[in-house]
Amino acid sequence: SQKIEQNSEALNIQEGKTATLTCNYTNYSPAYLQWYRQDPGRGPVFLLLIRENEKEKRKERLKVTFDTTLKQSLFHITASQPADSATYLCALASGSARQLTFGSGTQLTVLP
Amino acid sequence: GAGVSQSPSNKVTEKGKDVELRCDPISGHTALYWYRQSLGQGLEFLIYFQGNSAPDKSGLPSDRFSAERTGGSVSTLTIQRTQQEDSAVYLCASSLSRGQGNQPQHFGDGTRLSIL
Repeated sequence: SQKIEQNSEALNIQEGKTATLTCNYTNYSPAYLQWYRQDPGRGPVFLLLIRENEKEKRKERLKVTFDTTLKQSLFHITASQPADSATYLCALASGSARQLTFGSGTQLTVLP
Repeated sequence: GAGVSQSPSNKVTEKGKDVELRCDPISGHTALYWYRQSLGQGLEFLIYFQGNSAPDKSGLPSDRFSAERTGGSVSTLTIQRTQQEDSAVYLCASSLSRGQGNQPQHFGDGTRLSIL
């Protein structure tokens, strides 16, 4: 069956460190992978999109990698700040499915 | 408006009642999506619209759920004869076009539905 798995445990890191979040998938062949941020009581906010033929994408302090062999995406936040504390969702777009399928998210807390 | 607007933000109703949730997408966005998010869970796809058409209704949980979109803009999600398991946050998103998942989706803040 198809499955998207994100870090099941909440992630706590110290301010200034790099946070690394994992998104693993099985039985998908995604053409695109997206990352979103969700704050409590709010809707998700789009952060980054990476295509299957791209290995890495950067935006300011954010970096996403996409390894279609390992079936994994890593999401990095460098020089993390308490304001980065939120739940981060990965979402896959498979060409045949025609809609985004979301993981359950990883809750990140950056400690001051 | 600047973003996706959903109303009401909160809805509490008794089991068996019908509810109607509204979504006002970003102007010019042709694609509109409805999702459901239960506590601590990911987003569950319900339905999407391209213009006023809903090519994919596969995610609707039961025939008690229906949705429509008029004028390529506002959409309503209706749940008839609500059950307690319908309690969740219902999120709406829009995107510039449908694409193949290469379009960012812009979300509203959702309607928190509680069935007593």
